[in-house]
Amino acid sequence: DVKVTQSSRYLVKRTGEKVFLECVQDMDHENMFWYRQDPGLGLRLIYFSYDVKMKEKGDIPEGYSVSREKKERFSLILESASTNQTSMYLCASSEGTAYSNQPQHFGDGTRLSIL
Amino acid sequence: ILNVEQSPQSLHVQEGDSTNFTCSFPSSNFYALHWYRWETAKSPEALFVMTLNGDEKKKGRISATLNTKEGYSYLYIKGSQPEDSATYLCAFISITGRRALTFGSGTRLQVQP
Repeated sequence: DVKVTQSSRYLVKRTGEKVFLECVQDMDHENMFWYRQDPGLGLRLIYFSYDVKMKEKGDIPEGYSVSREKKERFSLILESASTNQTSMYLCASSEGTAYSNQPQHFGDGTRLSIL
Repeated sequence: ILNVEQSPQSLHVQEGDSTNFTCSFPSSNFYALHWYRWETAKSPEALFVMTLNGDEKKKGRISATLNTKEGYSYLYIKGSQPEDSATYLCAFISITGRRALTFGSGTRLQVQP
């Protein structure tokens, strides 16, 4: 079974802090994704990566950056946390390259609160 | 940004009822349509990945159909059980543009015992 592990289930940070959310997958998947989920808005894509050191912006990249130095790890960085970044963050991975029709496998999510 | 719409937003049914919900997506440049189930306190789990017009997929009491020409997919649950209570998400990927899914906002299903 694919395992996608997010470093924290719950995290509380202060406004202005630099925040790192880590995600690791154990199935050698090429594609990795970061989403945030807010009530009534579904999953919104922040950034994704289809290869090591490759990244593409999703729908809401402002205020975030990502890093993929190794295939199994995809990090989401909040450069200077703000209260409107309080949300549930989900990481996912999937097999295959361009326009893959493979399902995504999700981590358990990190509920991040910015005070 | 592609528009993926799900209806209804939420649904309450009694145990044993059959139910269905809709996912609408752009009918041009279709590549694939995904369905996921997201139970409270768990991670989203893939139900189906559908790629061909007219596709029908089934997993136990849950099935899905796909019409790419008119841009919709239906998810059916036969004889709903309390354990079917979850948010059901559909997601679309186009052959053009970015290589990532666009999700709908989901249908929240609650099944009363």
